Amino acid sequence: SAVISQKPSRDICQRGTSLTIQCQVDSQVTMMFWYRQQPGQSLTLIATANQGSEATYESGFVIDKFPISRPNLTFSTLTVSNMSPEDSSIYLCSVPGGRPNYGYTFGSGTRLTVV
Amino acid sequence: AQSVSQHNHHVILSEAASLELGCNYSYGGTVNLFWYVQYPGQHLQLLLKYFSGDPLVKGIKGFEAEFIKSKFSFNLRKPSVQWSDTAEYFCAVYNQGGKLIFGQGTELSVKP
Repeated sequence: SAVISQKPSRDICQRGTSLTIQCQVDSQVTMMFWYRQQPGQSLTLIATANQGSEATYESGFVIDKFPISRPNLTFSTLTVSNMSPEDSSIYLCSVPGGRPNYGYTFGSGTRLTVV
Repeated sequence: AQSVSQHNHHVILSEAASLELGCNYSYGGTVNLFWYVQYPGQHLQLLLKYFSGDPLVKGIKGFEAEFIKSKFSFNLRKPSVQWSDTAEYFCAVYNQGGKLIFGQGTELSVKP
């Protein structure tokens, strides 16, 4: 299965600023997914990032707040813009496992604290 | 919309006790089902998955899950838990759009 390198692993940011999270995959993948895990809660899908097209956002998430780039088949970034304390979460990227039966692989996550 | 429901928010067991975590999904078509585990301070790991065939699937670390189509369920089981099984467990369903939808998670605490 794919190996994902995600960074930064954690950050503490001032409200009103932006943070860009990067995910690098060791193989080419068509689809990459970005999730948010708020404290004590499950994972919520933010958007699906396909190479060569705009990301598709889930209900409640908008491009102005969470712009995504997908410049090639091995890399993606998620930016959390104009942050507020409510954005404090763990953000994770994920890719399909390469074959249908391999499941999904997740990055190690970015723990974001907004103060 | 497709959804996944985990009935138990927090389960506390003693070592050697048997475990069953409930998971129900809402989708009438073909489903692919997963259980993931997140140990404290670590990232998500795949425990097991069901795509087709034998509805009783075995995963890592002695876990198994049974897919019961008539009940829309995919419960996770382990005959005898260990302290090292303390973690958060997530049930997830893969939908036709290629998205993985997660349940709310169940926190398992195993007392030594």
